[in-house]
Amino acid sequence: QLQLQESGSGLVKPLQTLSLTCAVSGDSISSGGSSWSWIRQPPGEGLDWIGNIYQGGSTYYSPSLKSRVTISLDRSKNQFSLKLYSVTAADTAVYYCARWDTVKDAFDFWGQGTMVAVSS
Amino acid sequence: QSVLTQPPSVSAAPGQKVTISCSGSSSNIGNNYVSWYQQLPGTAPKLLISEDHKRPSGIPDRFSGSRSGTSATLGITGLQTGDEADYYCATWDHSLSAGVFGGGTKLTVL
Repeated sequence: QLQLQESGSGLVKPLQTLSLTCAVSGDSISSGGSSWSWIRQPPGEGLDWIGNIYQGGSTYYSPSLKSRVTISLDRSKNQFSLKLYSVTAADTAVYYCARWDTVKDAFDFWGQGTMVAVSS
Repeated sequence: QSVLTQPPSVSAAPGQKVTISCSGSSSNIGNNYVSWYQQLPGTAPKLLISEDHKRPSGIPDRFSGSRSGTSATLGITGLQTGDEADYYCATWDHSLSAGVFGGGTKLTVL
């Protein structure tokens, strides 16, 4: 069974960089038919797609975040990462990593989520 | 303002049926599969429906999905109190080259 686990700093100062990692177990991040995603949910709000990275390394980002975000793969550790630059209080959210199954066209496995607060 | 439009809330009595709509455009729902997610309070979303109407293993047949034109619908029959949750639709938007979610619908089982 595929499992995803987010980790990283729970508190980030304004204008600094938010960094999160998603450790994947039960499957290789290089396996076909998968891409790896970050999704966030501000307190009391809905889900907000951040971006995807495919096994070949190609990335797609939310237009509203594209100038501030980088998603990368670390095949040696079977994990992928999110960096969000120049954060503000509006970036405070629960951040989820998830697998996008390219056959099912769906996020079929999710991490439990990690809360990140932006505050001085 | 979400790209996909869902009603903020729906409600029905236990045992009854409810439908949740998800409206988009030709750049998203009109040309891509829709998936649906259930988010129970304090938990991560869970996949309910993929490829418009397919249920993953373990999802009861009380949950169904359909897509027509630029809209999709999630149906839940035989409502149970345990179905109280937020429900989200999602798809890919070709114009944005981005994944998109609906704003979410809160289901209350009265």
